[in-house]
Amino acid sequence: KAGVTQTPRYLIKTRGQQVTLSCSPISGHRSVSWYQQTPGQGLQFLFEYFSETQRNKGNFPGRFSGRQFSNSRSEMNVSTLELGDSALYLCASSPGDREAQYFGPGTRLLVL
Amino acid sequence: AQRVTQPEKLLSVFKGAPVELKCNYSYSGSPELFWYVQYSRQRLQLLLRHISRESIKGFTADLNKGETSFHLKKPFAQEEDSAMYYCALSGRGSQGNLIFGKGTKLSVKP
Repeated sequence: KAGVTQTPRYLIKTRGQQVTLSCSPISGHRSVSWYQQTPGQGLQFLFEYFSETQRNKGNFPGRFSGRQFSNSRSEMNVSTLELGDSALYLCASSPGDREAQYFGPGTRLLVL
Repeated sequence: AQRVTQPEKLLSVFKGAPVELKCNYSYSGSPELFWYVQYSRQRLQLLLRHISRESIKGFTADLNKGETSFHLKKPFAQEEDSAMYYCALSGRGSQGNLIFGKGTKLSVKP
């Protein structure tokens, strides 16, 4: 099976702009989670979608949002970008709860 | 609160030496525990999970509920084991939320 894919791989934005990142999970996986990875905070959970519903959300401001489509593909959106949003954003898919998650290569976002 | 602690940021060993990467967790219940590895310029990938009790690439990890630990061990380190290792926890009802430790960078010297 093909692995998790994420597009784009790199993005440069300026403060105040918004950005949309995309994730295609492994075929058959209905759960998609998003994480933010930074050198200081490590890997932090953003949110999780299952069958087009957000089931869980981490401790991030409302500027971070997401959605999942009927084919399980997911997008996350960050509005009004801040310098501190510069990070690697990882998407992971899983066949179910408490199962292993399989990660994509990430989208590296730089906010100037 | 659910938490995963990896006390060592960096662990440096020589090739052929035993290696142990420490992981302690805080969770009131029965967690699922995982080790993930990230080699240079590669994506984060699952190394092993406690429920499968497998040995992957010579690594093993045993869940010690009494000490709330899930240390990763390998008897003879190889240079290709050099990577970043993350311990992660999934709790009951976690709904897609893996809680990660800050990671340990393993450096295996020739």
